[in-house]
Amino acid sequence: DGGITQSPKYLFRKEGQNVTLSCEQNLNHDAMYWYRQDPGQGLRLIYYSQIVNDFQKGDIAEGYSVSREKKESFPLTVTSAQKNPTAFYLCASSIGRGSTSTDTQYFGPGTRLTVL
Amino acid sequence: AQSVTQLDSHVSVSEGTPVLLRCNYSSSYSPSLFWYVQHPNKGLQLLLKYTSAATLVKGINGFEAEFKKSETSFHLTKPSAHMSDAAEYFCVVRPNTPLVFGKGTRLSVIA
Repeated sequence: DGGITQSPKYLFRKEGQNVTLSCEQNLNHDAMYWYRQDPGQGLRLIYYSQIVNDFQKGDIAEGYSVSREKKESFPLTVTSAQKNPTAFYLCASSIGRGSTSTDTQYFGPGTRLTVL
Repeated sequence: AQSVTQLDSHVSVSEGTPVLLRCNYSSSYSPSLFWYVQHPNKGLQLLLKYTSAATLVKGINGFEAEFKKSETSFHLTKPSAHMSDAAEYFCVVRPNTPLVFGKGTRLSVIA
């Protein structure tokens, strides 16, 4: 059963706490992505990684951190520096490997983070 | 800069009637274009994509889209709406960078 898994589905955090969202894929994809979704704003790119041990900031990286120690995993940490972290977070992956703009991204089911 | 504009934030249709979701894009390159669908509290599912082959692209669940370069449009259509089509739809452009998303169109289907 191939695909992208995200855990947990729902996550609650107190203000001032760091929290880590999990993203795992068994599609043998090189590239992975993290997006944030807010109502009426579409998806905004937080970080992406095109290869193990390398990643780049997206449009809204402030207050977030990532790591890519394994090809299958791309965890996202929401730090206490993120001013408004309540949102729906989506992870995606694609073949990558320097492929062209035809590369399709496949999405996980998402994690809804709520700061109390 | 690359951008995507979804012209309607909400579209409401009756079951069995045609669906039209409008999308215009701006890109300096010959882009790839995608439509994704998202049901409530779920991830995004790819409906179809345009990659400079045929300008009329057929996707899953009876959806199709036509790439019109002269109009910089990539509208999504379906001949007959089903209740299960009620969801949020995103038009997406990829020039040669990570994806650029439109803000989404919420489709409601009335019985």
